Amino acid sequence: EVQLVESGGDLVQPGGSLRLSCAASGFTFSSYWMSWVRQAPGKGLEWVANINQHGSDIYYVDSVKGRLTISRDNAKNSLYLQMNSLRAEDTAVYYCARGSSGWNFPDYWGQGTLVTVSS
Amino acid sequence: AIRMTQSPSSLSASTGDRVTITCRASQGISSYLAWYQQKPGKAPNLLIYAASTLQSGVPSRFSGSGSGTDFTLTISCLQSEDFATYYCQQYYSYPWTFGQGSTVEI
Repeated sequence: EVQLVESGGDLVQPGGSLRLSCAASGFTFSSYWMSWVRQAPGKGLEWVANINQHGSDIYYVDSVKGRLTISRDNAKNSLYLQMNSLRAEDTAVYYCARGSSGWNFPDYWGQGTLVTVSS
Repeated sequence: AIRMTQSPSSLSASTGDRVTITCRASQGISSYLAWYQQKPGKAPNLLIYAASTLQSGVPSRFSGSGSGTDFTLTISCLQSEDFATYYCQQYYSYPWTFGQGSTVEI
């Protein structure tokens, strides 16, 4: 059974930093693209970033470029999101998702971790 | 970025109804479209990909159609567990984008 478990969400002040983690199990982690998708309170879904199997191909939504960094450790079956220079508009539940075979759209999602940016 | 526009934003329906949600892309995306269902406090669940392919384990009352810019999600006979918010998502080009969501309410 595919399982994705996010952790690391917290209350952080504007300008602060946070590192989210996603522990994967139930599939060969190193064979799949992975994504982060976020959802602000009461709002819709927003794709944040993608990373390929080897970490050599990465894409971001413009609003996070230069501040959020996606990475992975295949030996630990883990996905990460390093979040720097956080803003109030980064407040959201952050979901880790596995990319499907082929076109890599998210096919399995974790339960999410809440990041709140507020003073 | 490709803009995805869903309609309606919300709708009221009853168990047994046939429900149709539309999704329009601001430019052609071929069939690179997925549909997700999300219930309150839960993660999204993939229903359909490639515009019309049902994800394994998803009931056959869900169906998708369309290509290019216009797409539809149909629930043929609404069940109580189908009351949720539905999102379309294009994966034709980066940045991937979602529709704003369509909430199916009682």
